[in-house]
Amino acid sequence: QKEVEQNSGPLSVPEGAIASLNCTYSDRGSQSFFWYRQYSGKSPELIMFIYSNGDKEDGRFTAQLNKASQYVSLLIRDSQPSDSATYLCALGSARQLTFGSGTQLTVLP
Amino acid sequence: NAGVTQTPKFQVLKTGQSMTLQCAQDMNHNSMYWYRQDPGMGLRLIYYSASEGTTDKGEVPNGYNVSRLNKREFSLRLESAAPSQTSVYFCASSGPTGNEQFFGPGTRLTVL
Repeated sequence: QKEVEQNSGPLSVPEGAIASLNCTYSDRGSQSFFWYRQYSGKSPELIMFIYSNGDKEDGRFTAQLNKASQYVSLLIRDSQPSDSATYLCALGSARQLTFGSGTQLTVLP
Repeated sequence: NAGVTQTPKFQVLKTGQSMTLQCAQDMNHNSMYWYRQDPGMGLRLIYYSASEGTTDKGEVPNGYNVSRLNKREFSLRLESAAPSQTSVYFCASSGPTGNEQFFGPGTRLTVL
């Protein structure tokens, strides 16, 4: 059973701050990791994926992967109110994704 | 490109009624998925289809059936709806690796 754990939050940060979202997983064989953003009442939207240890940057988003410690994180720099959403971490294996329950982020103006 | 489309957007059923949720994608993806999302539970995989003509059970398949009609379409059927199936249902599709999945807008189903 692959497990993906996320702090459900809610996590609140002021506008302009760095938001840090964390995810731990139990399956050491997992090779691919994804972050989805889900606005209230909408469908999940893929924002980042990472396959290798280290950091991967895309605009204001940075995904960090540490396979030895079995965690993956998402940093959002210069947070904006439009970043307020639920962020889902997912593990990829054998053409399937296992999702965490999500962390609700609120960016305060 | 419309991406992944789902119908209907909303549905209310009575216990014991049946219905089919429709999903179609125009991205020429081989793999398609059905998930349900409940508060605090995240997304749970019901069934998936790695390619046309194949389907496999996911984490929570009981009470559901699926049909991969062709490469574009993947339907989910509830034969005898139960209140426990009240949920938001998402269809998704992906390319060769199966990992970068793209989601439809969802169907909000209430079973009374």
